[in-house]
Amino acid sequence: AQTVTQSQPEMSVQEAETVTLSCTYDTSESDYYLFWYKQPPSRQMILVIRQEAYKQQNATENRFSVNFQKAAKSFSLKISDSQLGDAAMYFCAYRSYLTGGNNRKLIWGLGTSLAVNP
Amino acid sequence: IAGITQAPTSQILAAGRRMTLRCTQDMRHNAMYWYRQDLGLGLRLIHYSNTAGTTGKGEVPDGYSVSRANTDDFPLTLASAVPSQTSVYFCASSAYRSGSLDTQYFGPGTRLTVL
Repeated sequence: AQTVTQSQPEMSVQEAETVTLSCTYDTSESDYYLFWYKQPPSRQMILVIRQEAYKQQNATENRFSVNFQKAAKSFSLKISDSQLGDAAMYFCAYRSYLTGGNNRKLIWGLGTSLAVNP
Repeated sequence: IAGITQAPTSQILAAGRRMTLRCTQDMRHNAMYWYRQDLGLGLRLIHYSNTAGTTGKGEVPDGYSVSRANTDDFPLTLASAVPSQTSVYFCASSAYRSGSLDTQYFGPGTRLTVL
């Protein structure tokens, strides 16, 4: 069974600086998808960025980018020029490439709480 | 505004009562999901539906039932609530196409407390 581990329960960053959140996962599959979601105090789960395992190029969305290391099974999120609005819980999630049954469920890490200091 | 709505936002429920959590999406997504979020356990899939008229069990289906009579609605029912069902419940949807990356988009959640 696949697992996702986020080893940093809490992190903090100064406004305008860069922070990296770690995520590792365990799987025997060769194809899969990885996601980072953000959950601010409003509770809404918001997609930040996604990566397809067969793509070697790291995904980027504005100030958010990932460092995807497939061999190491690592999927870290880098937030550049941190803003106060980035303060939230960040979750890493894995999804199998398989589509049958409940294979399309997201498997979640336990999250990293990010504080942004002014 | 396109998206997913959930109702109620929060609810306190006596144990043994029946409760239906509502979920509606207007994105014409064919797949829908129910997750529960618990501290220390993360999010876990309760039930899913790949298309209208079909449903399936997730990781933690016991005590819950769902139906998918049409594309837009995916209600979750607790037939007889128990305190262990106290949680935050999220509905999600995705535009499922075989072999593609279908991103799941989430509703705002329902906080349910069973006493």
